[in-house]
Amino acid sequence: RKEVEQDPGPFNVPEGATVAFNCTYSNSASQSFFWYRQDCRKEPKLLMSVYSSGNEDGRFTAQLNRASQYISLLIRDSKLSDSATYLCVVNRNFGNEKLTFGTGTRLTIIP
Amino acid sequence: DTAVSQTPKYLVTQMGNDKSIKCEQNLGHDTMYWYKQDSKKFLKIMFSYNNKELIINETVPNRFSPKSPDKAHLNLHINSLELGDSAVYFCASSQEIAKQETQYFGPGTRLLVL
Repeated sequence: RKEVEQDPGPFNVPEGATVAFNCTYSNSASQSFFWYRQDCRKEPKLLMSVYSSGNEDGRFTAQLNRASQYISLLIRDSKLSDSATYLCVVNRNFGNEKLTFGTGTRLTIIP
Repeated sequence: DTAVSQTPKYLVTQMGNDKSIKCEQNLGHDTMYWYKQDSKKFLKIMFSYNNKELIINETVPNRFSPKSPDKAHLNLHINSLELGDSAVYFCASSQEIAKQETQYFGPGTRLLVL
């Protein structure tokens, strides 16, 4: 089983719609969680950290369910500029910090 | 004003050659990383350095040798290049090697081995 698993998509969603991505992780001792965004032929960039209580940043909402080892990202009122690959990222926090990336979910917003 | 820079941006070379990729960050960060993103877009850590000291070496063939002359630079030297080394290599940095630190990525070096 992969350490971090995501549905690769692609998700093709009309502009203005709400879209949700899910991610599961295998190591129950993981402590830190993130969503990164990667545009085509560009580097990954941090979108948001994911906290236990859930957190929101504008149109983006991230949730963490430790019991189910599950992370989600919700995008409301999607824009064309949201088209990208969304990477679920987990930090194992065992002294040697290491980010483990999921393979990403490809999102295309359709006009 | 570039935060994390890499050179070269593109590298096309023959199998068996030796090549280097350079990375520099001007963010004042203590920790730097090398990642490999393969053709399936899977991004995997290779090495991390904290204050010029190797912290993580993720079962990378010893043909790959990172070198950190100072904490602002982390270069990657690859000996005897193989076809399977073709990928995008990203350098990244973070303030320190701590659990909530954001990592900032360079633009990537696209390596093609022929």
